[in-house]
Amino acid sequence: GQQLNQSPQSMFIQEGEDVSMNCTSSSIFNTWLWYKQEPGEGPVLLIALYKAGELTSNGRLTAQFGITRKDSFLNISASIPSDVGIYFCAGQEYGGSQGNLIFGKGTKLSVKP
Amino acid sequence: ETGVTQTPRHLVMGMTNKKSLKCEQHLGHNAMYWYKQSAKKPLELMFVYNFKEQTENNSVPSRFSPECPNSSHLFLHLHTLQPEDSALYLCASSREQGASNGYTFGSGTRLTVV
Repeated sequence: GQQLNQSPQSMFIQEGEDVSMNCTSSSIFNTWLWYKQEPGEGPVLLIALYKAGELTSNGRLTAQFGITRKDSFLNISASIPSDVGIYFCAGQEYGGSQGNLIFGKGTKLSVKP
Repeated sequence: ETGVTQTPRHLVMGMTNKKSLKCEQHLGHNAMYWYKQSAKKPLELMFVYNFKEQTENNSVPSRFSPECPNSSHLFLHLHTLQPEDSALYLCASSREQGASNGYTFGSGTRLTVV
């Protein structure tokens, strides 16, 4: 079935640095979502995107719905230690089965104080 | 209580045991999902219930048996599991299947099969 390519797989950064990660698909998506999962917890929704080209912010996080509708980006500015976790992209494929979300493999973020 | 609650948080079971995982949501959602999360793998969709009816069974072995008595509760009954079934099992809910505003996840049950 459809899979999402999420990169990078992991990032080790210094506190204060900016972070960028992305997700691509081989088909068109109607919706792009970004989740964060902290150790021992389930994923929590950070940002939802519904239109091609849409740019949405949530505090220091900014995500964009690619204009081709086949990709999405998440940026974190001025990272802090509590940004540590795994970030997942997810999307609803246009015409996909039952509208179920498809998830990327995640980007594991480590922040060094 | 709000959100999606999963119990137990941790479970260790032998291969011959029978156990059940429980998920409860008080969000008024009508769709509920079971996912398996293993290390270095994407989230694997197992089952979907929409308005209490099972709409997806993603080729899950019969040793996993879901039950959805109402829109607020979802169970996963486990029987004669294998060590490779050890994983984090996540429950999620959404307004309805296919809703575009995403899923709300529980904290998961960390299952270890010995």
